[in-house]
Amino acid sequence: GAVVSQHPSWVICKSGTSVKIECRSLDFQATTMFWYRQFPKKSLMLMATSNEGSKATYEQGVEKDKFLINHASLTLSTLTVTSAHPEDSSFYICSARLGTKNIQYFGAGTRLSVL
Amino acid sequence: DQQVKQNSPSLSVQEGRISILNCDYTNSMFDYFLWYKKYPAEGPTFLISISSIKDKNEDGRFTVFLNKSAKHLSLHIVPSQPGDSAVYFCAASAGQGAQKLVFGQGTRLTINP
Repeated sequence: GAVVSQHPSWVICKSGTSVKIECRSLDFQATTMFWYRQFPKKSLMLMATSNEGSKATYEQGVEKDKFLINHASLTLSTLTVTSAHPEDSSFYICSARLGTKNIQYFGAGTRLSVL
Repeated sequence: DQQVKQNSPSLSVQEGRISILNCDYTNSMFDYFLWYKKYPAEGPTFLISISSIKDKNEDGRFTVFLNKSAKHLSLHIVPSQPGDSAVYFCAASAGQGAQKLVFGQGTRLTINP
């Protein structure tokens, strides 16, 4: 149980284009999902909290117009990196919270490379 | 402001021995703590957690100890196996119904045969 699927696992795009990353909870419903970014040899940095049916809550310093989050159902949240630039290249990971305990289950991550 | 700190970036342990990973925190409001294991290019995998009302939680080869007065927790893995080689992150959250997890920087554990 508690499986989170993230797609795609790896994407290469041209500068200026937009990229959508999907995060699905496969065997449970998640009213809350989270999007993280990880730089090489660094910890996970929370970007935003995605709440089903409402606007996402962004962490300080994260541009909400650049990183669009949509959580339209209890099993799907999407992160769209708009007008991507090389500095957006990173490893993006989503997670979903299961139950009342604050245990988050993570997807496998998406490696984004912007050329 | 690093509220959760893992001061050892790496640790090397011989197979069969005990691995001890340490984590310190500064926020006294944290009341729930978790350990995750991460392989390269994969998402973290939940290992074990502990509530602040306890000082020990055990699950198979993994035991987490919490010392609230010292604001310190540790993860013990015994016996260590080659498959345990990974990066281990500790994380913490504050308050009932809290959602955000604050992660440490991670410790790379290498188990030597």
